[in-house]
Amino acid sequence: RKEVEQDPGPFNVPEGATVAFNCTYSNSASQSFFWYRQDCRKEPKLLMSVYSSGNEDGRFTAQLNRASQYISLLIRDSKLSDSATYLCVVRVIGGSQGNLIFGKGTKLSVKP
Amino acid sequence: GAVVSQHPSRVICKSGTSVKIECRSLDFQATTMFWYRQFPKQSLMLMATSNEGSKATYEQGVEKDKFLINHASLTLSTLTVTSAHPEDSSFYICSARLEAQFFGPGTRLTVL
Repeated sequence: RKEVEQDPGPFNVPEGATVAFNCTYSNSASQSFFWYRQDCRKEPKLLMSVYSSGNEDGRFTAQLNRASQYISLLIRDSKLSDSATYLCVVRVIGGSQGNLIFGKGTKLSVKP
Repeated sequence: GAVVSQHPSRVICKSGTSVKIECRSLDFQATTMFWYRQFPKQSLMLMATSNEGSKATYEQGVEKDKFLINHASLTLSTLTVTSAHPEDSSFYICSARLEAQFFGPGTRLTVL
């Protein structure tokens, strides 16, 4: 089983739509959780950290369910500029300092 | 957010040559930096952890004599791909950590 698993998509949605991505992780020792976005041929950029209580940043809402080892990202009112690959990222206790485990990403394409 | 730079952004070289990639943290000191590699449509994979003033820690399967890492100062780590071969062609990305990890813009290496 992959350490961090995501639906690769692509998710093709119209502007203004609400879209949700899910991610599961296998290591119960996972400590920290993040969503990054990666544009084509670019480096990943931090979108938001994910906390157990859930957190929101503008149109983006992230949720963490430790019991189910499940992370989600909700994007409301999608914009064309949201088109990217969204990476679910997990830091594991005991891994190399700062070591992150990356999912393969979910591709989002927002159409006019 | 924190800024990490990389140089060069793109390299095309002949098989057998060595290529040096620089990673700099521009507005903070980083005792630890990380080197990743990403093949097309694949996840980022950690290659090694670069430690200022001491030897790098390599992930399993990464040859330390082929991928030389030097972390000479608190703001600079270098990765040298020695005797590069076409299979080393990839997107190399460095990162440094504050709370989350911030990535450099990456170096696209093509070995002919």
